[in-house]
Amino acid sequence: AQKITQTQPGMFVQEKEAVTLDCTYDTSDPSYGLFWYKQPSSGEMIFLIYQGSYDQQNATEGRYSLNFQKARKSANLVISASQLGDSAMYFCAMRNAGNMLTFGGGTRLMVKP
Amino acid sequence: EAQVTQNPRYLITVTGKKLTVTCSQNMNHEYMSWYRQDPGLGLRQIYYSMNVEVTDKGDVPEGYKVSRKEKRNFPLILESPSPNQTSLYFCASKLGGMSYEQYFGPGTRLTVT
Repeated sequence: AQKITQTQPGMFVQEKEAVTLDCTYDTSDPSYGLFWYKQPSSGEMIFLIYQGSYDQQNATEGRYSLNFQKARKSANLVISASQLGDSAMYFCAMRNAGNMLTFGGGTRLMVKP
Repeated sequence: EAQVTQNPRYLITVTGKKLTVTCSQNMNHEYMSWYRQDPGLGLRQIYYSMNVEVTDKGDVPEGYKVSRKEKRNFPLILESPSPNQTSLYFCASKLGGMSYEQYFGPGTRLTVT
């Protein structure tokens, strides 16, 4: 069985500073994918970034980057230059070879002006 | 506009009264999935479908049924709802194969009394 753990239920960050949201995972599959989603207060799920288990480089998408440390089974999300609009719930998720997607419990990020 | 739609968006019902939540996508995606979101637990996968007439159980399938008779539709059926099925439900779709970005519907908030 696969498992995703997000140990930070809530975090504060000052506007314009960088923040790291932690995610560790556990799987026995050699092939898997890791995702981060954002859920603002309006409720929709917004895809942010993806990292494949065989990707050699860390994924980046604009202000989002994924710090992938395969040996430590961690896939932390780094948000640079935080904005007030970044305040939301953030979910880490993993897809296995069978296409099941498992989510972590989420981290609520609050950006302070 | 490419989108995943769900209906209804809000539903209050009573224990034991059968209900169906519809999900439709207009992107010709092979893969569709249902999730429920509960506080502190993130999103948990209920069922998914790799293509027409192909469905598989996710992490929490008990009490739910699905069908995939057409590519665009993936209804979620609760034959005899119970209060522990009170939750926020999301439908999602993506292209099949190695594609990774899932598109989520807006969510359906279900309350079972």
